[in-house]
Amino acid sequence: SQQGEEDPQALSIQEGENATMNCSYKTSINNLQWYRQNSGRGLVHLILIRSNEREKHSGRLRVTLDTSKKSSSLLITASRAADTASYFCATDSGGGGSNYKLTFGKGTLLTVNP
Amino acid sequence: KAGVTQTPRYLIKTRGQQVTLSCSPISGHRSVSWYQQTPGQGLQFLFEYFSETQRNKGNFPGRFSGRQFSNSRSEMNVSTLELGDSALYLCASSGLRGGTDTQYFGPGTRLTVL
Repeated sequence: SQQGEEDPQALSIQEGENATMNCSYKTSINNLQWYRQNSGRGLVHLILIRSNEREKHSGRLRVTLDTSKKSSSLLITASRAADTASYFCATDSGGGGSNYKLTFGKGTLLTVNP
Repeated sequence: KAGVTQTPRYLIKTRGQQVTLSCSPISGHRSVSWYQQTPGQGLQFLFEYFSETQRNKGNFPGRFSGRQFSNSRSEMNVSTLELGDSALYLCASSGLRGGTDTQYFGPGTRLTVL
């Protein structure tokens, strides 16, 4: 079963605009990670946010985590055509704080039009 | 450091056959996880190995098995292939720092079952 659910399923924007994707999950987590996947290739790790963190930045990425609402958001600022990809959130469900068993949502397909 | 490598990248098999996929983790990483990605079910966790021992297992039938060698390289095997086994199989490796860590994914092996 899917732990995370991304919203929206698809998002189309123009270059230079910001893109916001949301993720909701069902159970308590140790951390939440965001990944990017280009056209059926491998997953690229973007950012990890721990359950005791509320916000994290990495370059043009900003991630927030609200454990009370069991939700996270990924903001990509000043988007580029190269950002076109599927974005997945993943939560760890392993024991003892291990994230060696990630549970993924179904992803948001982001299309950035030049 | 070289990334996670997976071989072969593409594979075509027929129903009833078996297949073995290989994964070489990032040097120094001791945890290797396998995931199956299909359009219908999304990304699903198969199993995770650490120091040649299976630590976690997803909800897949016994036809799916794996192993890890002393050099941390891992193989997964699917016996008696079914059409529904057609998928992208992703391997991920992770270092061990006593808990939460990032998983780094390989490019995947695309398996087609005819």
